[in-house]
Amino acid sequence: AQRVTQPEKLLSVFKGAPVELKCNYSYSGSPELFWYVQYSRQRLQLLLRHISRESIKGFTADLNKGETSFHLKKPFAQEEDSAMYYCALSGPGYGNKLVFGAGTILRVKS
Amino acid sequence: NAGVTQTPKFQVLKTGQSMTLQCAQDMNHNSMYWYRQDPGMGLRLIYYSASEGTTDKGEVPNGYNVSRLNKREFSLRLESAAPSQTSVYFCASSEVVNTEAFFGQGTRLTVV
Repeated sequence: AQRVTQPEKLLSVFKGAPVELKCNYSYSGSPELFWYVQYSRQRLQLLLRHISRESIKGFTADLNKGETSFHLKKPFAQEEDSAMYYCALSGPGYGNKLVFGAGTILRVKS
Repeated sequence: NAGVTQTPKFQVLKTGQSMTLQCAQDMNHNSMYWYRQDPGMGLRLIYYSASEGTTDKGEVPNGYNVSRLNKREFSLRLESAAPSQTSVYFCASSEVVNTEAFFGQGTRLTVV
């Protein structure tokens, strides 16, 4: 079965420090991978997806098929980055279900 | 532009009661989803509908039923609520599968 693992429930960093939110997946085939973010009192929204190869709000994520990882990175954290981050996966091998990891809370301290 | 609208926003049920959570989207999306969000477990897929007229089970379908009433609406029904179904429920839609999903504001359900 497809599975998304986010090993850290909480990641706390100081403002200006680098951030890496880990995501590993298990999927046989070519998955579509996403990072979604939920800011306080806001709806869950897409942050970025691997196919677009964009940098959104300074965040990037690279798909590493060999390590089956899709870690989210930002070189310098900002206080406004504090939120819940979810890694998600979809693909034709399992009916195109969009499946999420357990999420990581990022807290950026001043 | 409303996007994805869920009703109600809050609900308290007694064990054994039934209720239907409503979801509607105005983006002409083909795919719709129902998730539950629990602390430490993230978002778990209950049911989804890849296109109008089809529904499929997700990771945690037991105790729930769904109806894709038309292209806009996708409802989630709890026939006999249990305390284990206390959760925050999210509806989402996407143009087709594997594209960006847009989420509703959530329904906080408590079963006592």
